[in-house]
Amino acid sequence: GENVEQHPSTLSVQEGDSAVIKCTYSDSASNYFPWYKQELGKGPQLIIDIRSNVGEKKDQRIAVTLNKTAKHFSLHITETQPEDSAVYFCAASSTDSWGKLQFGAGTQVVVTP
Amino acid sequence: DARVTQTPRHKVTEMGQEVTMRCQPILGHNTVFWYRQTMMQGLELLAYFRNRAPLDDSGMPKDRFSAEMPDATLATLKIQPSEPRDSAVYFCATSGNLMEAFFGQGTRLTVV
Repeated sequence: GENVEQHPSTLSVQEGDSAVIKCTYSDSASNYFPWYKQELGKGPQLIIDIRSNVGEKKDQRIAVTLNKTAKHFSLHITETQPEDSAVYFCAASSTDSWGKLQFGAGTQVVVTP
Repeated sequence: DARVTQTPRHKVTEMGQEVTMRCQPILGHNTVFWYRQTMMQGLELLAYFRNRAPLDDSGMPKDRFSAEMPDATLATLKIQPSEPRDSAVYFCATSGNLMEAFFGQGTRLTVV
């Protein structure tokens, strides 16, 4: 089955700096890679996703890149703000598995003013 | 409704009692996932359904857990009998045909 590894487990950044979280996956059949943001006491919220036919996707201050050959994908947050503080999860799935998501272990991001 | 609704939000129960958690999928979504979140194990997939049919429940302890979809607007996860090690946050997530999965706010279960 799919295995997703996520690094780092914690990330502390100064407000205004950039944050980068990296994930690797093992199953070459995976073709959908979402990122979730989870705030304390809430459910994971889908913030951006990328499919295997695209190398990069951007939405305002967040962007995701995908390297299918190396089987890794990354989340980039620019101009970080205190409200970006949360736990971020990467995940991978494939149409073969009906969208069953395998999650990384999560990254605790702390943005200090 | 454009959100996944889970009830109850919190549940405290004694060991050995039955626990039922409910999930109302987003209207039109035909895939329902049940995840369990703990500090040690992270987000684990317990079971999932497509068009109300169970596809995979290999992540679920079969002797005490059961998942059903009585109709398209309701999914349930039951634990009988509950044990302290079942204490966790249980999430329901639903998706349509585009694979984006949306999570509910979760049920925080405490078994004492």
